Amino acid sequence: EIVMTQTPLSLSVTPGQPASISCKSSQSLLQSDGKTYLYWYLQKPGQPPQLLIYEVSNRFSGVPDRFSGSGSGTDFTLKISRVEAEDAGVYYCMQATHFPRAFGQGTKVEIK
Amino acid sequence: QVQLQESGPGLVNPSETLSLTCTVSGDSITYYYWSWIRQPPRKGLEWIGYISSTGYTEYNPSLRSRVTISSDTSRNQFSLELSSVTAADTAMYYCATGASPSYWGQGTMVTVSP
Repeated sequence: EIVMTQTPLSLSVTPGQPASISCKSSQSLLQSDGKTYLYWYLQKPGQPPQLLIYEVSNRFSGVPDRFSGSGSGTDFTLKISRVEAEDAGVYYCMQATHFPRAFGQGTKVEIK
Repeated sequence: QVQLQESGPGLVNPSETLSLTCTVSGDSITYYYWSWIRQPPRKGLEWIGYISSTGYTEYNPSLRSRVTISSDTSRNQFSLELSSVTAADTAMYYCATGASPSYWGQGTMVTVSP
């Protein structure tokens, strides 16, 4: 099974500053169809996760453009260009290239 | 926009079967895929499985021997059954749209305890 490893596990960010989260997979996530099925979710306190990014770099409906995803193969990054107070929560990456789907352990983002 | 609502008992006895239903509004379950995911208290997310519009299912191997996902198109619902539960199955259970979840329900907390 694929292991997804996120770093850091926690992050404290000043509003207006950038933030970056890394997600590494134990195997390449490039599918034979040429797509890479890597997703990013944000779980705000007391809420279900919400999809931010699909297939590495595509923002989901309604997601602000301060969120961006990048990467390939086994290394992926979620960047927030200018953190806002509403961005606090736990961020998860998830791979859907290999069976079974697997989530990273989560990165808790705190706003100073 | 699609909305999902989980329902079912909040307390299940050990060794019994956990049964949850997800009611979908704003879209038909005769399209796409529909997933279940769970989250133990203060822990991360675990993918349970999904069902397709044609009834095809995939399950996490760690749960495969105990899990069944089914659908009822007449009610626009899909369901989760997890048998022989233990305290380790205590979690928030979420239903979601898509094989790779996009829209999520609010979740329902299930506690396994005598």
